[in-house]
Parts: sequence; structure tokens; C-alpha cells
Amino acid sequence: GAVVSQHPSRVICKSGTSVKIECRSLDFQATTMFWYRQFPKQSLMLMATSNEGSKATYEQGVEKDKFLINHASLTLSTLTVTSAHPEDSSFYICSARGRGEWAKNIQYFGAGTRLSVL
Amino acid sequence: DAKTTQPNSMESNEEEPVHLPCNHSTISGTDYIHWYRQLPSQGPEYVIHGLTSNVNNRMASLAIAEDRKSSTLILHRATLRDAAVYYCILRDFRGGTSYGKLTFGQGTILTVHP
Repeated sequence: GAVVSQHPSRVICKSGTSVKIECRSLDFQATTMFWYRQFPKQSLMLMATSNEGSKATYEQGVEKDKFLINHASLTLSTLTVTSAHPEDSSFYICSARGRGEWAKNIQYFGAGTRLSVL
Repeated sequence: DAKTTQPNSMESNEEEPVHLPCNHSTISGTDYIHWYRQLPSQGPEYVIHGLTSNVNNRMASLAIAEDRKSSTLILHRATLRDAAVYYCILRDFRGGTSYGKLTFGQGTILTVHP
């Protein structure tokens, strides 16, 4: 199956700093990428959807100025958590979907990034 | 979005078949039924999807009720590596703001015993 690489897998940072998470589709062109957040013992919550070359669409309640998403190419999307605080500590997961009638029905997920803000 | 209902947890023994049910009584004619699973500390993994007919792939089978108000994911021989949270998700294949979104519920925690 298609591969989505997410980096870093774990990051620990001090409160107030910014953290960038990269998501790459390794063997297909990702026309749409998604960013999710998952707190312990909870399900995934969609944060935003981005199409290549367009601004991201954020879900209700997600601060777009705090969670900056860039999808500048068909293989790379980044999520920057600006001025991170302890309440932003979570498991962040990216997902990508390709072109074509079949491909657009399947989302491929990265392995996730565990962010801990001290 | 149409919602799905799954049991919180299920248990199975290794090498036995597992039937994971999902109810989606408010499904619309344009909803695909998707199944994903998430292993501990990993991102979700696509398992299978279907619209009306039963589907088979190398990982599992999907049995869809004739009225489409329920479906069952079938793992033919469970292994320890199948222990995960299984999510049944409805996805509208039409255009619009909800297009392409996968909305995850709580899923079913599958425990596989040796």
C-alpha cells in the first residue's frame, strides 16, 4: 500500500516554542491531506483539511493562527504548532489521499507525532 | 454526518474468526462504509470499504446488510497482530463540505488471546 511518512515521531518542547511536523506521501501524489489530533483514550479528531496549493479548511473550534498548515506540494504538508502550551500535548496524525476514482476513497495515515509540551 | 454504533470491545482467540458489527441505521444512499483500524501508538490503517455488495480483500471481508443499515467486518483468522481499535465510518462520496472527511467514532477495541 501507499506510504505516508510523518516526522518527527516524538517531540518534547518548552512552553511557548513552536513545533513543526512534516507529513510526506512517499509513493503517490497527495491531492488532499488531513491533520488529526488524538488525546489519550480518545478517538481521532479532524483538525483541518488541505488541498495542494490551497489554504487549509479548519474544523470548528480549531485555531488556524495556532495550528498553521502548509500544503505547498503534492507530497508534503506541514503542521506548525505555534507558541505551544501544555494543553497542546497530544498525538498528531496526518493523512493523505491520492487521485483517481479508487485512490480518493482511501486515506493513508502517518505513524503520528507525539507532542509533549513542558 | 450519519453515525455508526459499534460495541466498545470484543475478544477473540487466536486463529478464530472475528465478526465485528456496526450499525448505521441512518445511512444515506451516497455513503460508503469504511473500516479502519488503529494499532497502539500508530496511525490508523485502511482495512476495507464498500457500498452495497460484500467485499473481500487480503485483510478482511465486509458483509453489508441488504438494507445497508448494518455491516460486519470479518477477520477470518485472528492473529495477535490484529489486536487494535476498529473503526466503522460512513463517508459521503458526493461533493460538498463533508466530502472526503473521515469522522472517527470510538470504535471497537479488539483483544486477541493467544
